[in-house]
Amino acid sequence: GQQVMQIPQYQHVQEGEDFTTYCNSSTTLSNIQWYKQRPGGHPVFLIQLVKSGEVKKQKRLTFQFGEAKKNSSLHITATQTTDVGTYFCAPIRMKTSYDKVIFGPGTSLSVIP
Amino acid sequence: DAGVIQSPRHEVTEMGQEVTLRCKPISGHDYLFWYRQTMMRGLELLIYFNNNVPIDDSGMPEDRFSAKMPNASFSTLKIQPSEPRDSAVYFCASSFWGAIGYGYTFGSGTRLTVV
Repeated sequence: GQQVMQIPQYQHVQEGEDFTTYCNSSTTLSNIQWYKQRPGGHPVFLIQLVKSGEVKKQKRLTFQFGEAKKNSSLHITATQTTDVGTYFCAPIRMKTSYDKVIFGPGTSLSVIP
Repeated sequence: DAGVIQSPRHEVTEMGQEVTLRCKPISGHDYLFWYRQTMMRGLELLIYFNNNVPIDDSGMPEDRFSAKMPNASFSTLKIQPSEPRDSAVYFCASSFWGAIGYGYTFGSGTRLTVV
């Protein structure tokens, strides 16, 4: 079955430092989605990447889809305390038919003020 | 739109009791998902529906779990009998497959504690 890894599992950064989490799939993907879950909250959709090598930015967040469409990354520039939470990638395998979304294990980010 | 609505927000029950969790998806969304989240196992997909029809229930842990979607605006997840290991946060999510790029919208979850 599909294996999804996210690294690191935990990351503690000083406010203002950069942060990156990586998502790796054992199979080629159609799309990949990213979600953020604040402590005590629910996952919130951030973005979807579709094209090989695609890079998308949302303010301080930069999302990238690998050329082989088997990995992705989320980079946060100059972290703030509002960035605290767990970031999940959600790989989507099939384009032509709906496929269930299996969430990665997530990367938990702590930001020290 | 009020988003995906789940009830109750918290449920504490004794082992052996029946538990019913409820979900109202976003109007117009044709997919509904039930997830379970624990520290040990992360976010697990239990079952999902398309146009009220169960498509994949391979994630349902065992026969004690059942889910229904009698109409487009309501779904239930039932555990009978409940066990302490069922303690988790249960999320319902909905999506509209045609709106690629919008992802899933999650409800606020039901925190279930079985004692």
